[in-house]
Amino acid sequence: EVQVVESGGNLVQPGGSLRLSCAASGFSFSTFWMNWVRQAPGEGLEWVGNINPDGSGKSYVDSVKGRFTISRDNARNSVYLQMNSLRAEDTAMYYCAGWGSSRSYWGQGTLVTVSS
Amino acid sequence: DVVLTQSPLSLPVTLGQPASISCRSSQSLAYNDVNSFLDWFQQRPGQSPRRLIHGVSNRDSGVPDRFSGSGSGTDFTLKISRVEAEDVGVYYCMQYTHRPHTFGQGTKLEIK
Repeated sequence: EVQVVESGGNLVQPGGSLRLSCAASGFSFSTFWMNWVRQAPGEGLEWVGNINPDGSGKSYVDSVKGRFTISRDNARNSVYLQMNSLRAEDTAMYYCAGWGSSRSYWGQGTLVTVSS
Repeated sequence: DVVLTQSPLSLPVTLGQPASISCRSSQSLAYNDVNSFLDWFQQRPGQSPRRLIHGVSNRDSGVPDRFSGSGSGTDFTLKISRVEAEDVGVYYCMQYTHRPHTFGQGTKLEIK
């Protein structure tokens, strides 16, 4: 059975940091591009960034460049999103998703709220 | 960044009838003048998104064949041949020809 489980979401003050984790199982994690996608309350989907299968390539949306960092540990079938200098506009449900050639796997999301 | 414009934004459909969603790109999504990198996602109420179509017209494993994708360049379409109750939700197109990847604003499909 495929499982993708995000964790680490929380209430944080503006300027603070959070590290989201995503643990995957049931598919060939080390062959998948892994993505982070977020959804602000009542809004649409926004791609945040991704990392290639061996971790050597990363890409981000402009609004998070320099603040967010994606990493992965293929030995642990996990991907991470380090979020620094958080802003109110980063408030969203954050989804971890693996996109393969014929399947995609998504977690249930973890909620990040940035507020004082 | 590439802007994807979906239409309509709201799509009321009678059960058993067809439905069509358009996704237009502000730039050509053709990569090396050949393939376009565009996917379609479905998000049912209260659920995480799931991918339906990848690479314009290829259904993901397990996706019913009533869903089909087509298009090239800047104009793309998702079609549902006969809408069923389980198809209610929001549909998004997403391009990954250009960085950053970008989503359309979403089309909400409801049953009349």
